Amino acid sequence: NAGVTQTPKFQVLKTGQSMTLQCAQDMNHEYMSWYRQDPGMGLRLIHYSVGAGITDQGEVPNGYNVSRSTTEDFPLRLLSAAPSQTSVYFCASSYESLSWNTEAFFGQGTRLTVV
Amino acid sequence: RKEVEQDPGPFNVPEGATVAFNCTYSNSASQSFFWYRQDCRKEPKLLMSVYSSGNEDGRFTAQLNRASQYISLLIRDSKLSDSATYLCVVTESLNVMTTDSWGKLQFGAGTQVVVTP
Repeated sequence: NAGVTQTPKFQVLKTGQSMTLQCAQDMNHEYMSWYRQDPGMGLRLIHYSVGAGITDQGEVPNGYNVSRSTTEDFPLRLLSAAPSQTSVYFCASSYESLSWNTEAFFGQGTRLTVV
Repeated sequence: RKEVEQDPGPFNVPEGATVAFNCTYSNSASQSFFWYRQDCRKEPKLLMSVYSSGNEDGRFTAQLNRASQYISLLIRDSKLSDSATYLCVVTESLNVMTTDSWGKLQFGAGTQVVVTP
């Protein structure tokens, strides 16, 4: 039972490089999202998707792109990495949006350092 | 002002003692409330939902005070394994006819609890 799988777990990038963080879930969840977690800030929403083909911006979308071509996958692309994007990134998925008892399942996180 | 605020702690708790802490939220339209637990360098995991009438799950008790816009978590008979950061999560149900409310989980920065022998 894999749940939400993120790769890679660790990554070091040079300023200006691009990369894609992968996220896959095998729970047939419609709703997926990306968060970044910085010390003292809590998790902040980057982008989210309510189903295949549908994405929307969250609180801190600048510098990131997403796409949702399948229900299972929701990759996050860093277009031109900057030191301010050094963070821990979490992908999350959930079955329902409106149930007040909905649980969000998180991947194990990607620790990204931009030098 | 942050939408969800928590005392970062740490709360240092002797094993077997009780610890309680709060989380305040700014949006009075918030509808759903949760506590998540996050172990060091791990992903958050749902600890419990918070019901309007308050609820218990074993040694954990959650309360909601809508008038003062805060939720609380109480841990009784603390175990060493309770050492973690507890994240307060609040969601908004802006419109029951749309599906975009899930994307707006608001996380607090977390309260660190350290249980000592």
